[in-house]
Order: sequence, then C-alpha cells, then structure tokens
Amino acid sequence: EAQVTQNPRYLITVTGKKLTVTCSQNMNHEYMSWYRQDPGLGLRQIYYSMNVEVTDKGDVPEGYKVSRKEKRNFPLILESPSPNQTSLYFCASSWDIGNEQFFGPGTRLTVL
Amino acid sequence: AQKITQTQPGMFVQEKEAVTLDCTYDTSDQSYGLFWYKQPSSGEMIFLIYQGSYDEQNATEGRYSLNFQKARKSANLVISASQLGDSAMYFCAMVAGSARQLTFGSGTQLTVLP
Repeated sequence: EAQVTQNPRYLITVTGKKLTVTCSQNMNHEYMSWYRQDPGLGLRQIYYSMNVEVTDKGDVPEGYKVSRKEKRNFPLILESPSPNQTSLYFCASSWDIGNEQFFGPGTRLTVL
Repeated sequence: AQKITQTQPGMFVQEKEAVTLDCTYDTSDQSYGLFWYKQPSSGEMIFLIYQGSYDEQNATEGRYSLNFQKARKSANLVISASQLGDSAMYFCAMVAGSARQLTFGSGTQLTVLP
C-alpha cells in the first residue's frame, strides 16, 4: 500500500529535550516536506527536500532541522524544543512540487 | 511571495445542496498550480482537486469542481449535492513559478446539516 508513515503519532515532552519525528514514504517520491498546523493559520511549511541531500527552508524553519540521507526518509529534528513548537506536524511526499502531495497521518507534539 | 486567502472560517450547508468555498490567491508568477485538500475530524489530509494556471477548462473530480477565475485570482471549490461526510476543514493551497513551496490558506470549516 502506498503510504507516508510518521512516528510517533503523539508525543509529550519537556522543554529542551531533543526529539526526532520520523517520516518514511514507499512511493519513491523525490519531493518531501514537513508542515506544522496551528489553529487559524492553516499549514505552514517548515522544510522541504527536492531529493537526497537536497534540503531547503520553508516559511517557518527556526528551531527545526532535517536531513535526507535516503530517498524514502525525511526526519524532523527538534534540537531544543520549546512550548511554541507545540503543534500538529505533517510530513508529505510527491513526485514533484506541482503534483498532489501525499500526507502522513500527523504527529501531535506537546512541549511542556 | 505567494499568498492564499480563505475568508470563510466556517460555513454551513444543508444536505444535498451545493456549496462554494472561497479562495483567492496572490502571485506575480504566470505559471502556478492550485490545490484543494480536505481534512476530516480524524485529521488526515485528503487531496481533492488541482488546477493549473494554463488549464483552460475548470477542473472537476466527481462532485468537486474548481471555479477558476484567473482575472479575479480566485479558485473557489464547489461541492455539489453535499453529503454529511463532507463535513470537514477545507484548505486551498498554491505553488507558484519556480518556488518549490506549497502555501496553504487558513482553511474553511464546512458543516453539512441533515
């Protein structure tokens, strides 16, 4: 089954404790992206990747890191999480930015 | 910079009636694409429909159609014969020119009444 998976689905953590949210797709897509969703703001892009070893900042990259060492994986790293990073996070992939994006199920992160 | 505006935070529609969700966009690029996604209460993001800026015909997918008015920079989603399962948050999104980013609007919460 073609899908984008994210783990964990839910996470409660404390300020400053490094965490990684994993994202994996099995569709051989070139383009992958991370978004955060906050009430009233829609989805905002954090980082995206056009291909292996090619990443770039989106609209809200501060406080986040990503890597793309393999085509299928695109982890999101929060080196020192803060409460303002409490949000719903989505990973997505597609053949290219102009194509339909396939979204993961979302990760609800709470930073205390 | 590209921008998407959805001015209707919430909408109500009676079951079996049609409803239009508004979306306006702003870009200086001639080449761009417009998307609509649906997010039910379960949280997943579901692709509905796509319109390219050079497409001459309005996009349609089943009960969904996109009313594309280039001069007005609007890309409204029309849902015909609403069903209870259409109750969800709907997002308009755009990718423009050489930008490799997808920009979303703030969304419209649609409630279908029985």
